[in-house]
Amino acid sequence: DIHMTQSPSSLSASVGDMVTITCRTSQTISNSLNWYQQKPGKAPKLLVYAESSLQTAGPSRFSGSGSGTEFTLTISSLQPEDFATYYCQQTYDTPPTFGGGTKVDIK
Amino acid sequence: QVHLQESGPGLVKPSGTLSLTCSVSGASISTTNWWSWVRQTPDKGLEWIGEMFHTGSANYNPSLKSRATISVDKSRNNFSLRLIRVTGADTAIYYCAGGPPAATLESWGQGTLVTVSS
Repeated sequence: DIHMTQSPSSLSASVGDMVTITCRTSQTISNSLNWYQQKPGKAPKLLVYAESSLQTAGPSRFSGSGSGTEFTLTISSLQPEDFATYYCQQTYDTPPTFGGGTKVDIK
Repeated sequence: QVHLQESGPGLVKPSGTLSLTCSVSGASISTTNWWSWVRQTPDKGLEWIGEMFHTGSANYNPSLKSRATISVDKSRNNFSLRLIRVTGADTAIYYCAGGPPAATLESWGQGTLVTVSS
């Protein structure tokens, strides 16, 4: 299986901050990388697919980038509704695997 | 807007069979979507179980050692998960989800907690 490592595992930030989350993969995966947002008690929600494509109706403050084995999710200006846990997922190989998550909470 | 809803027992005995159904509304199950099951635990995080296309093509996570079976019921517009020989390690929140090929999961159910205990 392709192993996914997210960093940091948690961070504290303020409204308006720029936040960057990193996902590293154990092998190259082309652009087969998705990002999900999960709030407590809710299902994950697809934010970004294929490394940098914003899901329909997704806020433009979210962006994805990267290549090879290192990928980033950037929130340009953190909003109150963005406090959540974020997961990366590779879909390059079966089984698809997820990172351990990055919890973003309020400073 | 595709809406997914899981249903099934919340408690299963060890060595028994876990059976869950996902009802799909807002779209036909015979679309271009693949239909998946994903589970989540505090220890292991998110784990993809498998996916099925309405034609019957399926892919599974090898870690489940062939214990999982996904099936599609076109007449009821739903799909199901069957997991045999369960243990406490199968206690998790189970989600059904759907999306394009290769498990890009665009739509999710709300999730259902299944506990394996005697």
